[in-house]
Amino acid sequence: ETGVTQTPRHLVMGMTNKKSLKCEQHLGHNAMYWYKQSAKKPLELMFVYSLEERVENNSVPSRFSPECPNSSHLFLHLHTLQPEDSALYLCASSHGTGTEETQYFGPGTRLLVL
Amino acid sequence: AQSVTQLDSHVSVSEGTPVLLRCNYSSSYSPSLFWYVQHPNKGLQLLLKYTSAATLVKGINGFEAEFKKSETSFHLTKPSAHMSDAAEYFCVVSDRRGGGNKLTFGTGTQLKVEL
Repeated sequence: ETGVTQTPRHLVMGMTNKKSLKCEQHLGHNAMYWYKQSAKKPLELMFVYSLEERVENNSVPSRFSPECPNSSHLFLHLHTLQPEDSALYLCASSHGTGTEETQYFGPGTRLLVL
Repeated sequence: AQSVTQLDSHVSVSEGTPVLLRCNYSSSYSPSLFWYVQHPNKGLQLLLKYTSAATLVKGINGFEAEFKKSETSFHLTKPSAHMSDAAEYFCVVSDRRGGGNKLTFGTGTQLKVEL
């Protein structure tokens, strides 16, 4: 185990639902990330938080709303999603945001939007 | 801009034979390079990383990779494949720009290990 947990592991939701993904890291890191992994496409960085402040928003639609209440927890709030948003959503954390820092990934949440 | 090209989407080897997964990168700055592995229904696990120290990097589970600046390559190798190595492998580059740790992932190589 990497020390990064994600819940739920699987989620099925309709386009009008509101749900949240949760990520928790037990590594004492101060940077956290959300990635989207779609079939046949490279991992896409969505958001970066450093010391609980958002430092990167990679042109993600507003139907995805991140929240980082403290350095150990990261949420991704979902509303009015589209079927093309179905993917594996991965959370990661690192000690800092320097380019030599290793990111540690959680197991992901498999999301299906109907 | 940085980019990563994994030259093979699928590689198949026999158990006990060598593994070679190829990766070429493009970066405007001195990069850090990583290899991650993803087993089915699992997250990504770091295998090894290069950060401008020794060009030959040893990782977990017997894997290693060599940074070759002249060839802009960072190929992953293992002398003898094991059934448990079957997974998807991602080559990743991180630029040394200011502003944070921005990883660019390759499209992945699916490694199959046969008896």
